[in-house]
Amino acid sequence: ELKVEQNPLFLSMQEGKNYTIYCNYSTTSDRLYWYRQDPGKSLESLFVLLSNGAVKQEGRLMASLDTKARLSTLHITAAVHDLSATYFCAALHNTNAGKSTFGDGTTLTVKP
Amino acid sequence: DAGVIQSPRHEVTEMGQEVTLRCKPISGHNSLFWYRQTMMRGLELLIYFNNNVPIDDSGMPEDRFSAKMPNASFSTLKIQPSEPRDSAVYFCASSLDLLGPNYGYTFGSGTRLTVV
Repeated sequence: ELKVEQNPLFLSMQEGKNYTIYCNYSTTSDRLYWYRQDPGKSLESLFVLLSNGAVKQEGRLMASLDTKARLSTLHITAAVHDLSATYFCAALHNTNAGKSTFGDGTTLTVKP
Repeated sequence: DAGVIQSPRHEVTEMGQEVTLRCKPISGHNSLFWYRQTMMRGLELLIYFNNNVPIDDSGMPEDRFSAKMPNASFSTLKIQPSEPRDSAVYFCASSLDLLGPNYGYTFGSGTRLTVV
């Protein structure tokens, strides 16, 4: 069974600092998703990573995928308050197209 | 496009009552997913459809839960009878296909269900 672990679960950062959120998954997956959720809101798709070594960047966020290590990272550069949110990774089941398992989420708080 | 539209936004019901949640996917999207989010269990996939056909309902917690997609523009998730442990936020998501192309899945705003 595919399991997805994120760490840390809670992250408090100062503005301007860098940090990385880690997402480990237990079995082979060909597709890894990152989402953002603001409190009381829906999920917004940030990145879809399709292959080993894939790297995608949007603003201060950069996501990467290492399929051999079964690891994806979400790197935050020079954090700003607007990045405060909960970030989820999700891995697609290779044996069940359409089925994704989500991590528990990382709640990021960026302080001035 | 208005995005994925869910109704109602909030629902408060008494234990034992029937609850119906509704979802209108983005026009042209062929896949539709129902998720449930709770503090204890996180985000769980309940059921998903492709071209209006249920593909996998293994995440539906009990027989009290049922979902239908009578056409490409409408889906329902029904709970009968409802129980307090069903209290959660229920999200509907849609996508062009099962894999969620290069931009992933588009989620609706969710329905916050409270069963008292």
